[in-house]
Amino acid sequence: AQTVTQSQPEMSVQEAETVTLSCTYDTSESDYYLFWYKQPPSRQMILVIRQEAYKQQNATENRFSVNFQKAAKSFSLKISDSQLGDAAMYFCAYRSGSGGSNYKLTFGKGTLLTVNP
Amino acid sequence: NAGVTQTPKFRILKIGQSMTLQCTQDMNHNYMYWYRQDPGMGLKLIYYSVGAGITDKGEVPNGYNVSRSTTEDFPLRLELAAPSQTSVYFCASSRTGRYNEQFFGPGTRLTVL
Repeated sequence: AQTVTQSQPEMSVQEAETVTLSCTYDTSESDYYLFWYKQPPSRQMILVIRQEAYKQQNATENRFSVNFQKAAKSFSLKISDSQLGDAAMYFCAYRSGSGGSNYKLTFGKGTLLTVNP
Repeated sequence: NAGVTQTPKFRILKIGQSMTLQCTQDMNHNYMYWYRQDPGMGLKLIYYSVGAGITDKGEVPNGYNVSRSTTEDFPLRLELAAPSQTSVYFCASSRTGRYNEQFFGPGTRLTVL
């Protein structure tokens, strides 16, 4: 079974600074997807960014980018120019690329990000 | 287009009571999921469905039941509520296929006393 580990329960960053959230995962599969979800105090789960394992290029979405190290099974999220609205719980998630898994997500425990003005 | 909607938003149950958490999606997604989120933890899969009439267990199915009579609806039934079922419950849906993301509802916060 796949596991996802987020080793930083909490992180803080100054507004306009850059912060990196860590995620490692364990799998024997070669075909999979990785995601970062944001959960603000409203509880809504919001997809931030996704990475396909077969793509070597790191995904980028505006101020959010990932550092995907497939051999090391590492998938960190970098937030540049942090804004107050980035404050939230961030979850790393894994999904098999095989339909046999029914595309369920396996989540880490989350990292609570605080943005200081 | 409302996406994924869940009712109720909050509920307090007494031990031994039963209830149904409702989930509806208007995106014509085949796949639907129920997750629970315990304090300080990530989401864990309870049940999922790949289409009307087809459901299967996830990681933590004990104490729950589901049904899927239509594409739109995927209710989660709690029988004989226990304090261990105190959690936030999320419903999600996605289209069929490897490229498609899951869309989440706003969650239901359930407390069992």
